[in-house]
Amino acid sequence: DIVMTQTPLSLPVTPGEPASISCKSSQSLLDSGDGNTYLDWYLQKPGLSPQLLIHTVSYRASGVPARFSGSGSGSDFTLKISRVEAEDVGVYYCMQRIEFPRTFGQGTKVEIK
Amino acid sequence: EVQMVESGGDLVQPGGSLRLSCAASGFTVSSHYMSWVRQAPGKGLEWVSVIYSGGGTKYADSVKGRFTISRDKSNNTLYLQMNSLRDEDTAVYYCARSPVEFTTFGVVIHEFDYWGRGTLVTVSS
Repeated sequence: DIVMTQTPLSLPVTPGEPASISCKSSQSLLDSGDGNTYLDWYLQKPGLSPQLLIHTVSYRASGVPARFSGSGSGSDFTLKISRVEAEDVGVYYCMQRIEFPRTFGQGTKVEIK
Repeated sequence: EVQMVESGGDLVQPGGSLRLSCAASGFTVSSHYMSWVRQAPGKGLEWVSVIYSGGGTKYADSVKGRFTISRDKSNNTLYLQMNSLRDEDTAVYYCARSPVEFTTFGVVIHEFDYWGRGTLVTVSS
């Protein structure tokens, strides 16, 4: 199974400041067939279901603010929030989508300082 | 509007059985890849099982041989039959939808674009 490793696991942030979460996979998520890299980001706000933020490394889901961006390649990925807002608190998960079983990172808890 | 509503969660003793349902509206279950994902109390997300649009299935090793995923086209509902339940199966169970695309490179299984609200399964004596 592909192991997904996120850092940090806890991220206290100041509103208006940037934030960054790293996600590394134990093997490349690049599909040599179609050239896509299958890494997604989800946010689980307190008490709610997970919601899609970013898919295929860098594509924002519908309705996701432009302050969220995803980047990376191969097995090394980053989620960035350009200026954190109070509504961004929750747990962020990366997930690989290149094979089954789907595997998630441990989650990064973002909270306001 | 796409909606998925899970039900069937309950308190059950170790070794018992339970069937979860995920009633969908606004789309056709059998046209998508549908997964179950669970979250133990205070823990992260764990993928459990998937049923393909073509009917094929896959399971996490932790549930293989004990859980069965299925769907009913007539009522547009996804199911998870859970047998031989263990303490470690205690979790909130979410259903999640993945659109599927057929391309010249093969099948592309898209991200989990919609999730249900979840149903709680507690396994305890």
